[in-house]
Amino acid sequence: DAGVIQSPRHEVTEMGQEVTLRCKPISGHNSLFWYRQTMMRGLELLIYFNNNVPIDDSGMPEDRFSAKMPNASFSTLKIQPSEPRDSAVYFCASREEPGRAFFGQGTRLTVV
Amino acid sequence: DAKTTQPPSMDCAEGRAANLPCNHSTISGNEYVYWYRQIHSQGPQYIIHGLKNNETNEMASLIITEDRKSSTLILPHATLRDTAVYYCIVREHYGQNFVFGPGTRLSVLP
Repeated sequence: DAGVIQSPRHEVTEMGQEVTLRCKPISGHNSLFWYRQTMMRGLELLIYFNNNVPIDDSGMPEDRFSAKMPNASFSTLKIQPSEPRDSAVYFCASREEPGRAFFGQGTRLTVV
Repeated sequence: DAKTTQPPSMDCAEGRAANLPCNHSTISGNEYVYWYRQIHSQGPQYIIHGLKNNETNEMASLIITEDRKSSTLILPHATLRDTAVYYCIVREHYGQNFVFGPGTRLSVLP
């Protein structure tokens, strides 16, 4: 298995633009997580899906952020409009209950 | 609320054992102890987990005290490539999120 695949690996965008981050979880995994990592705040959980249903989105910072999981093999995290303070590394992870979570290599987002 | 407490940083000489402590005094009976590490902004990597017995795999050993209030991750022969931030997480086996604290920054020195 190729592991959790995230795209793009790097994204540079201008303030106000829409940004879409993508994640393909490991086949057969039924839980998916989106995290954001910054120097100031470390690794923060944004949202958690189980069987494609959002279970906990309390970490989503504001309405500009939205996440979807239309099927078991794909998820998106969208920021609209983007702001410079959204600059961070965004990680996606998946797991098969019960068990360990596997992380992707992340998307480094820079909003200028 | 943070469930685990780890030292912010540690050094270890290359080739020696690295012993990373974690306090989890409020752990409940059905919560496991997980360890992950993150090397230079790569995605966090699973190392090991356990409930109450000591565990060993090809990467490390996990020693959990009898009262389960603390644990130690042991890297038996640290190499420079083990330099990373190490996270100790407690969670139930089913249904809970992985919540990361600040971790321990381990520096393996030549």
